[in-house]
Amino acid sequence: ETGVTQTPRHLVMGMTNKKSLKCEQHLGHNAMYWYKQSAKKPLELMFVYNFKEQTENNSVPSRFSPECPNSSHLFLHLHTLQPEDSALYLCASNSQGGGSTDTQYFGPGTRLTVL
Amino acid sequence: AQSVAQPEDQVNVAEGNPLTVKCTYSVSGNPYLFWYVQYPNRGLQFLLKYITGDNLVKGSYGFEAEFNKSQTSFHLKKPSALVSDSALYFCAVRDNTGFQKLVFGTGTRLLVSP
Repeated sequence: ETGVTQTPRHLVMGMTNKKSLKCEQHLGHNAMYWYKQSAKKPLELMFVYNFKEQTENNSVPSRFSPECPNSSHLFLHLHTLQPEDSALYLCASNSQGGGSTDTQYFGPGTRLTVL
Repeated sequence: AQSVAQPEDQVNVAEGNPLTVKCTYSVSGNPYLFWYVQYPNRGLQFLLKYITGDNLVKGSYGFEAEFNKSQTSFHLKKPSALVSDSALYFCAVRDNTGFQKLVFGTGTRLLVSP
């Protein structure tokens, strides 16, 4: 689990604030993911980056803005969030390509509360 | 579209007894199946995966899973449960239409009593 780190671990923000979540992977992977985990719901894939290119955006509202400056770092910029955005945000990484199915490894998550 | 179903919200078992957490899947093409565990306030930890080969897959912490193609199932098992196994367990299948994204089940809470 220490191969993927996330900061902060907990975040409380108002609806008008701007904040960012950070994820860093130390596993040499080339793909990174953001998931949202809400109570009583399956994990929702939000964004996928492969070699720094965004390859998937699952109809996520524009108040969530991802950034992937390199293959080791992934950010999720937050602004004007709603209370229903309160959830655990999980980052994951793996190696894509070559026909292999490499396991996704997850960070510990950021528990976000929007007041 | 790929999907997995975990029919039990919670499984209760006494320590020392065998445990099974159920998962069924629906995929087009070959299934690539995974089990993850989540402890409170933690991320998901990888337990095991099935890609091809033996139907019985062994993983971390003494867990194993049995792939059954005819029943489209991938149940997680452990011969003797520990109290420390109490956690939330997720089954997942790789979406063969996308960039290897995972489709997760809703999760099963395992409660092991002393």
